[in-house]
Amino acid sequence: KAGVTQTPRYLIKTRGQQVTLSCSPISGHRSVSWYQQTPGQGLQFLFEYFSETQRNKGNFPGRFSGRQFSNSRSEMNVSTLELGDSALYLCASSLNGVSGRFIGELFFGEGSRLTVL
Amino acid sequence: GENVEQHPSTLSVQEGDSAVIKCTYSDSASNYFPWYKQELGKGPQLIIDIRSNVGEKKDQRIAVTLNKTAKHFSLHITETQPEDSAVYFCAASKGFGNEKLTFGTGTRLTIIP
Repeated sequence: KAGVTQTPRYLIKTRGQQVTLSCSPISGHRSVSWYQQTPGQGLQFLFEYFSETQRNKGNFPGRFSGRQFSNSRSEMNVSTLELGDSALYLCASSLNGVSGRFIGELFFGEGSRLTVL
Repeated sequence: GENVEQHPSTLSVQEGDSAVIKCTYSDSASNYFPWYKQELGKGPQLIIDIRSNVGEKKDQRIAVTLNKTAKHFSLHITETQPEDSAVYFCAASKGFGNEKLTFGTGTRLTIIP
């Protein structure tokens, strides 16, 4: 069974640009969460999607956005990049039961490492 | 919002000895406490979790204890092995389960052969 796949794995951007990161969850998983990991702030929750709807959102500016498609694949976008956006962006999927109730563990991908110059 | 503190930030133990990592949380409504292990270049992997209606849980060499009154939980690894070397994160959530996890700052565990 394939794990959570994130693309691209590495990318370099310059300030002011925008970036789109992609995440394919484990087959059958309908919930996708995104986290930002930095040495200074650790792992911070960005947002969570279930059935194409954003259910939870962390404390990040509006430059950070996401969406989920009908096949549960998800993308996140960061616009007007700043140096501080350099981080490892992790996607995680989980198996949800009826009405989206969590019934399994959170499976993380290997992340997309973004460097902003 | 929820705040999770984790100690120590680094820990070195001799192979075969035990390792203990401690976390405290601030929100008494939190009810789910997972522990993740992150190896170099990989995403975090769940190693054990505990819910607020349980005080202790064990899985082979790994155990987690929860003290709801004091709002702290701990990870215990016994008979440590070189492959236990990694960064460990505790987390807390007050959703049904994994929604909006708040993570601790991590503990870098090094097992000395």
